[in-house]
Amino acid sequence: EVQLVESGGGLVQPGGSLRLSCAASGFTLSTNWMSWVRQAPGKGLDWVANIKQDGSDKYYVGSVKGRFTISRDNAKNSLFLQMNSLRAEDTAVYYCARERFGSDAFDLWGQGTMVTVSS
Amino acid sequence: EIVLTQSPATLSLSPGERATLSCRASQSIGSYLAWYQQKPGQPPRLLIYDASNRATGIPARFSGSGSGTDFTLTISSLEPEDFAVYYCQQRKTFGQGTRLEIK
Repeated sequence: EVQLVESGGGLVQPGGSLRLSCAASGFTLSTNWMSWVRQAPGKGLDWVANIKQDGSDKYYVGSVKGRFTISRDNAKNSLFLQMNSLRAEDTAVYYCARERFGSDAFDLWGQGTMVTVSS
Repeated sequence: EIVLTQSPATLSLSPGERATLSCRASQSIGSYLAWYQQKPGQPPRLLIYDASNRATGIPARFSGSGSGTDFTLTISSLEPEDFAVYYCQQRKTFGQGTRLEIK
């Protein structure tokens, strides 16, 4: 079955760190750009970061630049998001998403992992 | 930075009716627009990419149209499972969503 499974979310204090993982199965991760998209409780979708197939290019939304780092391990079919200096406004469900080859659309999503930043 | 504005914010219709959802871009984006459906507690599901192409497994009652700055998602005859929130997206920008609710 083609799927993405996120893990690593949880409750963390402001200023803390978390590392999210996304395991791909049923397809080869290395063929696609991959993104992280988040959704705050009761809110809409916000793109966070993406990474090129070979990891050579990475882009971030302004609010997380310098705090979050996206990476991938194609040999392990996995995507990661290292989140440092977490803030209350980072509280959200974090989804990993596959970018459809040749398009800007996200054609495969994981179920998401919840990150709560609170003291 | 491109802004996507969806309208209406909420659409109340009955099963069997036709739904028309709008997404307007702040500047021309060609045909690079996607539509997603999201139900409570679930991730978004890709419906339409490149403005008018149905994604794999999406029923034919869903169709997309438009180019430039004005785009439309049409559901020809609403099924009970279609009541959800719908988002448009272009590159790294999402619209704020349209909630389709049962009248």
